[in-house]
Amino acid sequence: GAVVSQHPSWVICKSGTSVKIECRSLDFQATTMFWYRQFPKQSLMLMATSNEGSKATYEQGVEKDKFLINHASLTLSTLTVTSAHPEDSSFYICSAVRGESGANVLTFGAGSRLTVL
Amino acid sequence: GENVEQHPSTLSVQEGDSAVIKCTYSDSASNYFPWYKQELGKRPQLIIDIRSNVGEKKDQRIAVTLNKTAKHFSLHITETQPEDSAVYFCAVTQGAQKLVFGQGTRLTINP
Repeated sequence: GAVVSQHPSWVICKSGTSVKIECRSLDFQATTMFWYRQFPKQSLMLMATSNEGSKATYEQGVEKDKFLINHASLTLSTLTVTSAHPEDSSFYICSAVRGESGANVLTFGAGSRLTVL
Repeated sequence: GENVEQHPSTLSVQEGDSAVIKCTYSDSASNYFPWYKQELGKRPQLIIDIRSNVGEKKDQRIAVTLNKTAKHFSLHITETQPEDSAVYFCAVTQGAQKLVFGQGTRLTINP
C-alpha cells in the first residue's frame, strides 16, 4: 500500500531558528502533497497545497514567507518553519495523493511534533 | 469556501452499544466524504469513505450514510469495543483532492 514517510517525528528548537520537515512518498509518485497543522485537541487545518515543480498554494491566513514549501521531486516535499516562535509549536502532518486522476484517497505521514522554546 | 460542521464534539457510549457521529457541509459540489480515526499523537487513519453517487456504504461494524440533498453524512459504529475509543474526523473535498476536516469527535467506549 501507499506509504508516506515524514521526518523528523519530533523536534525541539530555540526561538528564532528554522526547522525543516520532510515528507516522502516511498512507493508511489505524488504530484500533490498537502501540509496540515494540528494544535492540541483541535482539528487538522490545511496550511498549503504543494505541487511538484510549481509554487505552493497557501490557505488564507498562512504566511508563505514563514512556512516555506518546496516540492522539487515527485516523491519529496519539504516544509521549513522559518524564525520559529513558541506559537508555532504544533503537530505538522503531510499527506500525499497518488498520481492517478480522480483519486481522492490521501495517505498521511506520521506527523512531526514541533516544540519551540 | 467549504464549511464542515461535526457533532457531537464528545461522545461516550457503553461497550456493545452503537455510536453515531454526524457532519454537515456547505458546498453542494463536494463529492468525496471520508472518515478518519486518530489516536493520540498518531496520524489520521482512513476507516471508511463514500462518494457522492452512493447513499450508504458498510464495512463490518462501520457504516457511512450520505444525504446529498440535505448535505450531511454520518458515521455509524455498531457493537462498539474499547479499541474504538479515539478521535474521529469527517472530511469533505473542496475540489482538487483538498480535504476540509470537521472539528472532530472524541469517542469514549465505557467497559
